[in-house]
Amino acid sequence: SSELTQDPAVSVALGQTVTITCQGDSLRFFSATWYQQKPGQAPVLVLYDKTNRPSGIPDRFSGSSSGDTASLTLTGAQAEDEADYYCNSRDTTNNVAIFGGGTKLTVL
Amino acid sequence: QVQLQESGPGLVKPSETLSLTCNVSGGSISGYYWSWVRQPPGKALEWLGFVYYSGSTNYNPSLQSRLTISVDMSKNQFSLKLTSVTAADTAVYYCARDLLPHILLYTFDLWGQGKMVTVAS
Repeated sequence: SSELTQDPAVSVALGQTVTITCQGDSLRFFSATWYQQKPGQAPVLVLYDKTNRPSGIPDRFSGSSSGDTASLTLTGAQAEDEADYYCNSRDTTNNVAIFGGGTKLTVL
Repeated sequence: QVQLQESGPGLVKPSETLSLTCNVSGGSISGYYWSWVRQPPGKALEWLGFVYYSGSTNYNPSLQSRLTISVDMSKNQFSLKLTSVTAADTAVYYCARDLLPHILLYTFDLWGQGKMVTVAS
């Protein structure tokens, strides 16, 4: 089965730009979706189909993809962006959903 | 707007069956794929399975032998049953909706608030 790999932790200075990556073979065939999860809360969809943002998600969140790696870029990080970020996609073998291990973003 | 709410016991004994229900309010369950996702304390999200409003299902292979997800259109809700639970099944269980009707994307735009379930004697 496929796996999605994320860096466990990333930090960014307030107002600066940070990129969170998600790597896996399935991303060569299927788009990544990104979720933000704050402590004690349910995940929130922030990006889907590589670059699409749901309504209400600030445009400082953007996405890209190349080969087996998808990226979530946060331009001008705010304190409220501090959270765990998860990617997900589809397993190429058995058509099930898979999640990455999550990246804890700290805004300094 | 559409809202999801999980309900069920918060404590289940080892070897017993974990049962949860997700109530869909503010909209119809019809047309969509509905999933269960869980998160053990301090760990990552894990997709468990989905049910389509028609009743068709697909499960995480690691849980397939123990998991049943079903839908009740008349009550606008769907349910999860996980048999033979162990401490490893202790987690927050979320119900979630796929983004678009009639299309399986595994892109979850609506989530319930989550239900913490502890497996302990």
